[in-house]
Amino acid sequence: NAGVMQNPRHLVRRRGQEARLRCSPMKGHSHVYWYRQLPEEGLKFMVYLQKENIIDESGMPKERFSAEFPKEGPSILRIQQVVRGDSAAYFCASSPRRQLNEKLFFGSGTQLSVL
Amino acid sequence: AQSVTQLDSQVPVFEEAPVELRCNYSSSVSVYLFWYVQYPNQGLQLLLKYLSGSTLVKGINGFEAEFNKSQTSFHLRKPSVHISDTAEYFCAVSDRGGSEKLVFGKGTKLTVNP
Repeated sequence: NAGVMQNPRHLVRRRGQEARLRCSPMKGHSHVYWYRQLPEEGLKFMVYLQKENIIDESGMPKERFSAEFPKEGPSILRIQQVVRGDSAAYFCASSPRRQLNEKLFFGSGTQLSVL
Repeated sequence: AQSVTQLDSQVPVFEEAPVELRCNYSSSVSVYLFWYVQYPNQGLQLLLKYLSGSTLVKGINGFEAEFNKSQTSFHLRKPSVHISDTAEYFCAVSDRGGSEKLVFGKGTKLTVNP
């Protein structure tokens, strides 16, 4: 049973380009969470999605960032017009149901570097 | 809102020595508490969690943590560490009201030396 798969592992973008980060949850998991880890910081919640629905996006920056989790395919975190401050590790986690966090499984992350 | 403070950013120890990684939290509501471990180039793995009941929680790989409500702490301990315990350890909280958000500390890098 494959774990949470994130790709790419490393992504390099120039300022102003778009970044697309993908997350395939564990089999049978329909809840996906995105977290961002800035250098020297802990992970910070960004967004929580279920299939085709955004449940909580209170941690998402108001501009340039969007997330989706379509009926088919992986969840996508999209960052438009990237800036240097977007450089961070982005982690995805999934769970089979909405509660308690104890069943949260994390991927290995995507390291975004903005030149 | 919750916050988590991990007092030590780096903890170097020798193999077979005991270790304690400190975690304090702040919250206006009751919380669940977690410790996660991140090995190099891997995702976070759950070490242990406190939901209710006994305040001493045992986790994987010989780790344990004790919930102290009066001191708002959840320190992680292991009586004898191995080289393979070298990793980054994150303390996290979530509120009991059903929020799916985990609030993480900044992490403690544990380095076990031979």
